[in-house]
Amino acid sequence: LAKTTQPISMDSYEGQEVNITCSHNNIATNDYITWYQQFPSQGPRFIIQGYKTKVTNEVASLFIPADRKSSTLSLPRVSLSDTAVYYCLVPRDSSYKLIFGSGTRLLVRP
Amino acid sequence: DTGVSQNPRHKITKRGQNVTFRCDPISEHNRLYWYRQTLGQGPEFLTYFQNEAQLEKSRLLSDRFSAERPKGSFSTLEIQRTEQGDSAMYLCASSLQGGDGYTFGSGTRLTVV
Repeated sequence: LAKTTQPISMDSYEGQEVNITCSHNNIATNDYITWYQQFPSQGPRFIIQGYKTKVTNEVASLFIPADRKSSTLSLPRVSLSDTAVYYCLVPRDSSYKLIFGSGTRLLVRP
Repeated sequence: DTGVSQNPRHKITKRGQNVTFRCDPISEHNRLYWYRQTLGQGPEFLTYFQNEAQLEKSRLLSDRFSAERPKGSFSTLEIQRTEQGDSAMYLCASSLQGGDGYTFGSGTRLTVV
């Protein structure tokens, strides 16, 4: 399973766009890139998944360059409620076991 | 369907006691997973089931831990002779084989005193 590296923490202010970059240098051809969000005392929540280029949903956008060795989760106009831990994962199969790192702790300030 | 349900939400037990947690997955999901999460760390995989078959167990799952999923529906995770090091959040998740992403429950927080 591809190892991922992401910043330990990030700070932002309400209304700003936040970009969290994850590196996954040894990603395999069949691997997808998946991001989860976790609030305190809750389980992680699936945010977005992509294979290449750009994926957008109602929560976030995911940008994946052609070499797929990194990806960027973009959160538009964050609010205080976006304060959470964000995990980047590269599961071999979207429903196989997930290997979580320590994630990126995002703090959104007023 | 209200998602993945875990009970109890909190459990405090004395060292050496046995505890059992229950997970009710999303009904149409055929895969069910157990994870453990300690403070400041990401969840760690413990085991998973496809229907009623337990297909993989992590080395973290010592012989004091046992998980079952009778009839491929709900699952239980039992910890025998609990130790203080077992204190953690135990998360259950379910997914549909070939589907997008997991759905996690809110977890059971175990405190061993």
